[in-house]
Amino acid sequence: DAKTTQPPSMDCAEGRAANLPCNHSTISGNEYVYWYRQIHSQGPQYIIHGLKNNETNEMASLIITEDRKSSTLILPHATLRDTAVYYCIVIRDSGYSTLTFGKGTMLLVSP
Amino acid sequence: DAGVTQSPTHLIKTRGQQVTLRCSPKSGHDTVSWYQQALGQGPQFIFQYYEEEERQRGNFPDRFSGHQFPNYSSELNVNALLLGDSALYLCASSSSTGELFFGEGSRLTVL
Repeated sequence: DAKTTQPPSMDCAEGRAANLPCNHSTISGNEYVYWYRQIHSQGPQYIIHGLKNNETNEMASLIITEDRKSSTLILPHATLRDTAVYYCIVIRDSGYSTLTFGKGTMLLVSP
Repeated sequence: DAGVTQSPTHLIKTRGQQVTLRCSPKSGHDTVSWYQQALGQGPQFIFQYYEEEERQRGNFPDRFSGHQFPNYSSELNVNALLLGDSALYLCASSSSTGELFFGEGSRLTVL
């Protein structure tokens, strides 16, 4: 699975959009980009995933560049409850895939 | 619909002891994976069970073993506990077509 690079931390004001970047320059054509987050002392929570096209669900939007070497997770209106560590993970899509977690990005949403 | 449930939530053991952690997967899921998360680190893959067999294994010693039952629930066993085994142990379930759902974890402290 391709390696990912994320900034260690980011800050965001409550109510503003949080844009979390991820670099995955060695991604293969059959690999998906998955985003999970982990709120303190809880298990990781699935957010969204995509292959080529931009994706949106009730939690977030995922923007993948045309060359697929990077992506951005967008939380459109961040709340204090969005404070968490966000992990960008690249895997071949399968329910049987294993996840390789890096250090992720610690997003701090402030009032 | 109950998600992934783990027990116990917290436990304390001493070096050399053995521990068993339990996991019930989300309804409809047939695959269970276990992860270890040390303080300040991302989760690390231990192993995955499908059809009562260990299908994949991460870089963990044989002291870590597991089992999956016919109802898809699973146990993680760790023998001869070391201080370094202190961590949050996460169970994740999945099916062939879906993303991983994580439980809240079992926090193990080895004294």
